[in-house]
Amino acid sequence: SQQGEEDPQALSIQEGENATMNCSYKTSINNLQWYRQNSGRGLVHLILIRSNEREKHSGRLRVTLDTSKKSSSLLITASRAADTASYFCASTGGGNKLTFGTGTQLKVEL
Amino acid sequence: EPEVTQTPSHQVTQMGQEVILRCVPISNHLYFYWYRQILGQKVEFLVSFYNNEISEKSEIFDDQFSVERPDGSNFTLKIRSTKLEDSAMYFCASTQGAMRDTQYFGPGTRLTVL
Repeated sequence: SQQGEEDPQALSIQEGENATMNCSYKTSINNLQWYRQNSGRGLVHLILIRSNEREKHSGRLRVTLDTSKKSSSLLITASRAADTASYFCASTGGGNKLTFGTGTQLKVEL
Repeated sequence: EPEVTQTPSHQVTQMGQEVILRCVPISNHLYFYWYRQILGQKVEFLVSFYNNEISEKSEIFDDQFSVERPDGSNFTLKIRSTKLEDSAMYFCASTQGAMRDTQYFGPGTRLTVL
């Protein structure tokens, strides 16, 4: 899992299906952020969840955070071909820097 | 919506040359960052900058690297003598506040060292 690895490393689904990606971290965090990256492009911020939050929604995105298990999940509902990208979680611990995982490559097929 | 911009989008340089990568953070943001991503690898933190000084840096950020905010809008990363292994995508990011805030990233500069 991330900070670390992410689970799964690659995911291929059909349009309309839901996609779930998991990430785990090793140290205490202040917040955890999810980003999307289209091939060779920049990082687009999706959602931030704070350490005292358990779940957050934004449009078709649902993020959960379990600090006891040091893990987070990102759910994309009703996926579209345009959701095809790499997804990364990144956390901040004692300082401001983000620590990224290796990401999940999501492919949504028509 | 305000966004972080970076120039150039792609820089090709010869090994040993100096390069300066430029970033314009979001205007009311106070914290600035540089990250890099070697092709196929994870995004790595380089340095954070606040109040005109470095607040944190990684092991990657050695004496060959420096950052500067030369005016009220630009934030630059200089690599003094580039090496082949400096080839990567370099991302600038900024936040309005400190550690609990969203970091907004620029589109990146792809640096190729030949």
